[in-house]
Amino acid sequence: QQQVKQSPQSLIVQKGGISIINCAYENTAFDYFPWYQQFPGKGPALLIAIRPDVSEKKEGRFTISFNKSAKQFSLHIMDSQPGDSATYFCAASITGSARQLTFGSGTQLTVLP
Amino acid sequence: DGGITQSPKYLFRKEGQNVTLSCEQNLNHDAMYWYRQDPGQGLRLIYYSQIVNDFQKGDIAEGYSVSREKKESFPLTVTSAQKNPTAFYLCASSIFAGSHEKLFFGSGTQLSVL
Repeated sequence: QQQVKQSPQSLIVQKGGISIINCAYENTAFDYFPWYQQFPGKGPALLIAIRPDVSEKKEGRFTISFNKSAKQFSLHIMDSQPGDSATYFCAASITGSARQLTFGSGTQLTVLP
Repeated sequence: DGGITQSPKYLFRKEGQNVTLSCEQNLNHDAMYWYRQDPGQGLRLIYYSQIVNDFQKGDIAEGYSVSREKKESFPLTVTSAQKNPTAFYLCASSIFAGSHEKLFFGSGTQLSVL
């Protein structure tokens, strides 16, 4: 019930391409969906987040698409750059509470120059 | 330079030994958290504390202990009861930003077993 399933496990994209990472959830009580970016040897940092009352949120080259009926959400990175190479985690929470965050298993993104 | 400081960056544990991971924050946040990260897995919550002198077990608290004697500090002890301690440990603090809590992470401690 609390799982968030993330795919793919790894992704290789050419510079300038679009990176797409998908997540699916079961618990309809989730109401806050953040994405975190983690560079090697560092802690994750909040990248972008969405609530279920909107279907899309864009910040610069990063866009979250949210499909409430399918219980899926995805991260799109437009014009991917080598500096975007990192591990990306989706997560979901009830009432936006940090102690109730459930993380996906992560996607290792490599952007080739 | 505000943030979360974790030390040491690398730590080695011998069989039967307890080890303590340090976490200090100067962000004046009330809530602090410890997560465990294993390769190919998401972050899992070990313990969290919302105020000084109070803490709660997370999803995988067995074999771990914490204390919260000061607002700035939330050390994690990995006890000998934790049979599989090798992992990357992340400390975090949080504040409410509108309708949700925003997490701030430290740079982590990699714990390995000798």
